Amino acid sequence: DAGITQSPRHKVTETGTPVTLRCHQTENHRYMYWYRQDPGHGLRLIHYSYGVKDTDKGEVSDGYSVSRSKTEDFLLTLESATSSQTSVYFCAISGGTSGVGETQYFGPGTRLLVL
Amino acid sequence: GQSLEQPSEVTAVEGAIVQINCTYQTSGFYGLSWYQQHDGGAPTFLSYNALDGLEETGRFSSFLSRSDSYGYLLLQELQMKDSASYFCAVSLDSNYQLIWGAGTKLIIKP
Repeated sequence: DAGITQSPRHKVTETGTPVTLRCHQTENHRYMYWYRQDPGHGLRLIHYSYGVKDTDKGEVSDGYSVSRSKTEDFLLTLESATSSQTSVYFCAISGGTSGVGETQYFGPGTRLLVL
Repeated sequence: GQSLEQPSEVTAVEGAIVQINCTYQTSGFYGLSWYQQHDGGAPTFLSYNALDGLEETGRFSSFLSRSDSYGYLLLQELQMKDSASYFCAVSLDSNYQLIWGAGTKLIIKP
């Protein structure tokens, strides 16, 4: 299994508070992604990174920001959490040194509840 | 807009064969992937097709027709552990962005 962890694994927070989720990889993969998963929607891309300090928006980026200061860490921040951001958040990585990027490896997920 | 269509639920019998279809309409296309997700778990990669045709990996096979914007996942000799949700996903560009279908829940009966 790819070495990818997420923290925290579970979080309950209140509307209006900032929240930061962390994704850490030990695989030296170039690409990192943040998804949210909601019933009936599959996985939706929030933001992704194609290198240190190189990030771009996905299809549901409003209300979220990201940062990647090191290859191994990709942070997702909810600036001011809303109840609509209650979801399961998955981090994924792809694109190892072999250059093959089509396989994404997922972290265990973070369950976020915004009250 | 981008869209992938797959059935929401499929039921099959243990030991049988089942096919899960996926049709897509996307602005770009590099390839079609399939992932498996058990309840409460993370998605795991099953297969990837960039070219037309059938790819076989053990009991699982995946097919792609680029001209029809269509693919399917074929699962043979179904086992109870295959009960899961299956997602198709399209790679849009060289940064390997994926657009995902809503998933197909596979229910296997003894």
